[in-house]
Amino acid sequence: EDKVVQSPLSLVVHEGDTVTLNCSYEVTNFRSLLWYKQEKKAPTFLFMLTSSGIEKKSGRLSSILDKKELSSILNITATQTGDSAIYLCAAPKSSGDKLTFGTGTRLAVRP
Amino acid sequence: NAGVTQTPKFQVLKTGQSMTLQCAQDMNHNSMYWYRQDPGMGLRLIYYSASEGTTDKGEVPNGYNVSRLNKREFSLRLESAAPSQTSVYFCASLPGLAGREQYFGPGTRLTVT
Repeated sequence: EDKVVQSPLSLVVHEGDTVTLNCSYEVTNFRSLLWYKQEKKAPTFLFMLTSSGIEKKSGRLSSILDKKELSSILNITATQTGDSAIYLCAAPKSSGDKLTFGTGTRLAVRP
Repeated sequence: NAGVTQTPKFQVLKTGQSMTLQCAQDMNHNSMYWYRQDPGMGLRLIYYSASEGTTDKGEVPNGYNVSRLNKREFSLRLESAAPSQTSVYFCASLPGLAGREQYFGPGTRLTVT
């Protein structure tokens, strides 16, 4: 059975800190890994990673996939209170277009 | 472009009552999904539809039914609500390209007393 595991479950940091969120996966016929940010409402898409070692970057957020270790990290530098959210990691199942989600990491950034 | 819309935003039901959650997307996407989100459990797939006229069970389908009315609309029905169905429900859609990102609606917060 496909599995996505995220760590830590929750994290509290102060503004300006750098954080690293982890996602490991066990998926048959791996195709991609996706990161979402969920504030008060719906998850919004951040990154999709398909190739190992290539960094995807958007402002202060970046993510890398390690296919050998079956994992990905999401880095946030110079955190702001607006980064407070649940960060979800997901991988498509081996067949079809269904996603397996991790339980998420709840990040709280204190002023 | 409204994206993915859901109604209602909030609902309180008594045990045993029924209701239908509505979802519509205007992006011409083939695949549509219903998830529930509970604290500490992440997003769990209830049902999905790969195309108009087809539906398939996800991880937690018991107590739910779905209907893919046309390409735009995908509804979720609770025939006899139970307190265990108290949750936040999200609808999502996907263009049909394998492995791509899903687009989510704003969610429905359902409480069953």
